[in-house]
Amino acid sequence: GAVVSQHPSRVICKSGTSVKIECRSLDFQATTMFWYRQFPKQSLMLMATSNEGSKATYEQGVEKDKFLINHASLTLSTLTVTSAHPEDSSFYICSESGAGNTEAFFGQGTRLTVV
Amino acid sequence: SQQGEEDPQALSIQEGENATMNCSYKTSINNLQWYRQNSGRGLVHLILIRSNEREKHSGRLRVTLDTSKKSSSLLITASRAADTASYFCATYRTSYGKLTFGQGTILTVHP
Repeated sequence: GAVVSQHPSRVICKSGTSVKIECRSLDFQATTMFWYRQFPKQSLMLMATSNEGSKATYEQGVEKDKFLINHASLTLSTLTVTSAHPEDSSFYICSESGAGNTEAFFGQGTRLTVV
Repeated sequence: SQQGEEDPQALSIQEGENATMNCSYKTSINNLQWYRQNSGRGLVHLILIRSNEREKHSGRLRVTLDTSKKSSSLLITASRAADTASYFCATYRTSYGKLTFGQGTILTVHP
């Protein structure tokens, strides 16, 4: 199956700084990738759909200026949390597919802690 | 709103016992998928069942789908300590174009 590599797996940053999370598809071309946020012991909440070569589509309530998504190539999508605050601390996961009649492949997730 | 609702929220069993998790949803779907998540990791796909299917098996996993009741169940037989994880159902509708996840069931299998 497809392999999605996400890094870093953990990051700690200071309040007010920006953090970039990368999601790479290692063995396929991903025109669409998805970014999720997950709070402890809760489900995945879709934040945005990343489209290669065009603007990301954000879910209602997600600030696009806060969570910048770039999908400049078919193998790389990035999520940048800008001016991070402690409330942005969470587990962020990317996935490929999940937008078709097939299984989705997920990255390993990134645990972001803002101090 | 969250499409899938799962129960139980948490399940604790002994090794060798069977574990059953249920998922209900509200609208028509094209397929329903089950995923597993180990603590602090990404999700791993287990089974996909299409709306015209009623049952699927994969190793020790058995999934059923009842579209009239808008519900699905995941059965893990002869559970092992390594099955300890969170399990999520996710529904897919072509009209929406994305997966919608249930709240998940935290399964603990005691050796």
